[in-house]
Order: sequence, then C-alpha cells, then structure tokens
Amino acid sequence: GEDVEQSLFLSVREGDSSVINCTYTDSSSTYLYWYKQEPGAGLQLLTYIFSNMDMKQDQRLTVLLNKKDKHLSLRIADTQTGDSAIYFCAERYAAGNKLTFGGGTRVLVKP
Amino acid sequence: DVKVTQSSRYLVKRTGEKVFLECVQDMDHENMFWYRQDPGLGLRLIYFSYDVKMKEKGDIPEGYSVSREKKERFSLILESASTNQTSMYLCASSLGAPGQRRNQPQHFGDGTRLSIL
Repeated sequence: GEDVEQSLFLSVREGDSSVINCTYTDSSSTYLYWYKQEPGAGLQLLTYIFSNMDMKQDQRLTVLLNKKDKHLSLRIADTQTGDSAIYFCAERYAAGNKLTFGGGTRVLVKP
Repeated sequence: DVKVTQSSRYLVKRTGEKVFLECVQDMDHENMFWYRQDPGLGLRLIYFSYDVKMKEKGDIPEGYSVSREKKERFSLILESASTNQTSMYLCASSLGAPGQRRNQPQHFGDGTRLSIL
C-alpha cells in the first residue's frame, strides 16, 4: 500500500530558507500536494505538483519532485514567523479520489 | 473560494452517547471525506463519499458510520462514543468523479475537536 513519511520537526531562523522533505512509496502517484495547518485550524492547500514535473515555483514556495527517488520537498524562502505551522505532504495515486497524507512536519520559526 | 463548514469547533460528549458531526460544502463537490487527526499519526481517513447516498470505508471506519442524503452535506456518526474517539475531526471536499485524472485538491473545514468523557 501507499505510505508517506515526513520528519517530525524543523526549526529555522526568521529570514532563512526552510526545506521540508517528504518521501512516498507509490510510483503511480499523479498529483502531490503541500498543505499548511495553523494552530486550531483546518488544512490550507499551499501548492501542488503534477507527477510529470520536476519543479514548481509559486512566490516564496518552491516544490521539487524527484520521481526516481520518490522524494518531494517544499522550500520556503525568507521564512517568516507566520510560516510557523504544521506542513503536510499528500499524494494522490493513479485516478483515485483519496489522498494519503504524511504525518506532518511542525515548523518553528525563531526570531 | 471553496467553503467547507463544520457545525461545531468544540464538542464534549459522554461515553455511550450517539454523536453527530456535520459538514457542509458550498461548491457542488462530488467527493466528501471525514478524517481524524491525532498527534504523531497525521490524518487518517475514516469514510468518504463520491456521490449522494454513496459511501466508502477509509482506513479506520470501525465505530463510525456516515450519511450523505444531500450532495452538500456529509455527516459522521459515532454510534456509541468511546474515549478512544477523542480526537480532532476534519471534513474535506473535492471536485470530480472517480477515474478522472485532473487535479482534485481537497478543501478542508476548520475541524471539530471532540472530547469523549
């Protein structure tokens, strides 16, 4: 079955870049997503990448996909205190409707 | 913007009670989902529905049931609440029918934090 893994915690200084990593096992993934969850809130879609792409940039966010290694990363440039949150990666495999989520990475931005 | 609304942000119930969690979306989405979120376990899918009156079991359906009588509303039911069902419950919706390969991100509500005493 499909499995998505992330590291639990990342600490970064304000103004530095953050890189959040994710690995997945299902080679038939079609879309991969990054969600952000702020305290007490639901998940907010940040960005996504289609599986035939290597990179996608959206303002401060850069998504890199290494399909051979089944590795996805989210880079946040010029990290701000408002970026402190839990970040989830998720994969949608083949043509199914379901997403499989990683366990989430808690990002703490220090001033 | 897609709006997914969960009826309660916080709920406290007693063991053995029948509990209803309600979710409504306003974008005419075909698919709706119920997850629970627990520390260290991420999001786990309980049930989902891809059409009115249709339901599919997710990864952890035991102790839960669902109802989808109208397209915009998806209800999660705890038949007899137990303390191990204390959790954050998240509802989501997405566009599209099964088999479609287009991008179908899920849009989430703000969650219901349920405590079973």
